[in-house]
Amino acid sequence: AQTVTQSQPEMSVQEAETVTLSCTYDTSESDYYLFWYKQPPSRQMILVIRQEAYKQQNATENRFSVNFQKAAKSFSLKISDSQLGDAAMYFCAYRNLLGGSEKLVFGKGTKLTVNP
Amino acid sequence: GAGVSQTPSNKVTEKGKYVELRCDPISGHTALYWYRQSLGQGPEFLIYFQGTGAADDSGLPNDRFFAVRPEGSVSTLKIQRTERGDSAVYLCASSLEGSSYNSPLHFGNGTRLTVT
Repeated sequence: AQTVTQSQPEMSVQEAETVTLSCTYDTSESDYYLFWYKQPPSRQMILVIRQEAYKQQNATENRFSVNFQKAAKSFSLKISDSQLGDAAMYFCAYRNLLGGSEKLVFGKGTKLTVNP
Repeated sequence: GAGVSQTPSNKVTEKGKYVELRCDPISGHTALYWYRQSLGQGPEFLIYFQGTGAADDSGLPNDRFFAVRPEGSVSTLKIQRTERGDSAVYLCASSLEGSSYNSPLHFGNGTRLTVT
């Protein structure tokens, strides 16, 4: 079974600085998707960024970028120029492409605090 | 509606009671998902609907849990003989086509269920 591990329960960053959140996953598959979701206190999960495993180029979305290391099964999220509104829980998620599964497997999350 | 709507926002019930949680997806979204998020954990997959049918119910923990989507729109998650361990936030999500990458999931704000 696939698992997703986020080893940092909490992280903090100063406003305007850069922070990196870690994520590793365990799978024997070669085709899959990876995601980072943000969950503010409203509880709504918001998609931040996504990566297809067969693409070597790291995904970027404005201030958010990932460092995808397929061999190491690592998928870290870098937030540049951190803003107060970035404070939230961040979840890494995995989706296998084989077998038609639509299931996302989530990590336990990292709580990000942004200090003014 | 503009987003995924879940009602009620909070539900408190006594052990042994029956509860129903409602999800109203984004209009036109054929795929609908239920996840359960226990305290301090990431969301865990429960069930996935494509149209009216449950395409994958492998995440339902036992036969006390059941979900329906009779007209391919609104879905109801039903929990019989509730137990204190069922206390969690129940998240609903919908997507346009059922592919988590090409048509990403849109989550609701969840229902926080507390079983006393």
